[in-house]
Amino acid sequence: EVQLVESGGGSVQPGGSLRLSCAASGFTFGAFWMHWVRQAPGKGPVWVSRINSDGSSTVHADSVKGRFTISRDNAKSALYLQMNSLRAEDTAVYYCTRDYNKGMDVWGQGTTVTVSS
Amino acid sequence: QSALTQPPSASGSPGQSVTISCTGTSSDVGGYNYVSWYQQRPGKAPKLMIYEVTKRPSGVPDRFSGSKSDNTASLTVSGLQAEDEADYYCSSFAGGSNYVFGTGTKVTVL
Repeated sequence: EVQLVESGGGSVQPGGSLRLSCAASGFTFGAFWMHWVRQAPGKGPVWVSRINSDGSSTVHADSVKGRFTISRDNAKSALYLQMNSLRAEDTAVYYCTRDYNKGMDVWGQGTTVTVSS
Repeated sequence: QSALTQPPSASGSPGQSVTISCTGTSSDVGGYNYVSWYQQRPGKAPKLMIYEVTKRPSGVPDRFSGSKSDNTASLTVSGLQAEDEADYYCSSFAGGSNYVFGTGTKVTVL
């Protein structure tokens, strides 16, 4: 079964850091581009970051550029999102997704990040 | 990058059709044939229903169809069923490896 499982979410104070992880299974992880997408409570999804299949190219949304870093370890079938200098507006459910022809065909169950003092 | 514009709500009776619009700009929807549509039920992750404007992933009923004209994409659900009640979001590639999602439409089956 193709599956993505996120972990690492939690509550953190403004200015703090968190590292999200996503464990992939059931497919050849290293063959696919991957994304992080977040969704604030009651709002629509927002694309955050993208990484190509071998990790040599990454892109981040302007709202997180310089604060968040996407990375991957193909040997471990794992995707990561290092989040620094967190702000209240970063509060959301964070989803790991698989790219499919510039759509996203596999989504994890999400991990919740809450930034509050 | 601004969110793509969708109507907040749409509704139809069982068996009827409903069409949801998704309006962007020439920098996203109008500039690329990479519009996707997602269905999201409460408390669940989004599910890909349409990709590359018109294509359906395996397992998605052919009641779901997509189209695009200029800067506006559309999702049509034909033969509405109770299980189609959900939030629907469009998304478009926006160049430079950026992606933008829509504001979302709540579909109600009357």
